[in-house]
Amino acid sequence: DAGITQSPRHKVTETGTPVTLRCHQTENHRYMYWYRQDPGHGLRLIHYSYGVKDTDKGEVSDGYSVSRSKTEDFLLTLESATSSQTSVYFCAISASPQKGNPNYGYTFGSGTRLTVV
Amino acid sequence: GENVEQHPSTLSVQEGDSAVIKCTYSDSASNYFPWYKQELGKRPQLIIDIRSNVGEKKDQRIAVTLNKTAKHFSLHITETQPEDSAVYFCAATYSSGGSYIPTFGRGTSLIVHP
Repeated sequence: DAGITQSPRHKVTETGTPVTLRCHQTENHRYMYWYRQDPGHGLRLIHYSYGVKDTDKGEVSDGYSVSRSKTEDFLLTLESATSSQTSVYFCAISASPQKGNPNYGYTFGSGTRLTVV
Repeated sequence: GENVEQHPSTLSVQEGDSAVIKCTYSDSASNYFPWYKQELGKRPQLIIDIRSNVGEKKDQRIAVTLNKTAKHFSLHITETQPEDSAVYFCAATYSSGGSYIPTFGRGTSLIVHP
């Protein structure tokens, strides 16, 4: 569905443990993004990638790291989970906004609901 | 970076009325403005978008307008229906070092009463 899948869909973990979320795409898109969604805050960018091994920080990157070793996979790691990282995490993908491309948009995965207890 | 403000946070209308959601952005270099609809428990889905070289775009009951000078853009939904009830997000995309970064507003919860 939509060429992008996230795993797991739900996860409960304990404070202080590392957690890795996976985003997998079959669209061969260059750009991939990780967002977190919290009530009253909308979608906030954690990290993004503009190619294999090319990543950069977003506005809420503290406590998170990412890796992209293949075009199709973008991993988000919470190095030591805290209760403030309880959230819904969305991955998004986007094609290159080439001139003449009428609509490159952003396609979202189904999200991962993470609870840190 | 970009900053996007979205208003109102909640909008309640009667079925058949029109709804308008407004967003402002800060970076004049932003050039792509998509709108997303998110139903409860689901992923955000693109409903309409506009580029900076266009002032208005329509798709059936929805339309988006862009005022580059004032740096604001709006979503218009006419003849609202109960199934339009959802959270709507606007976004502005700017370029940073060859990457294209969408910044989202905080969302508007639209409630359409039958």
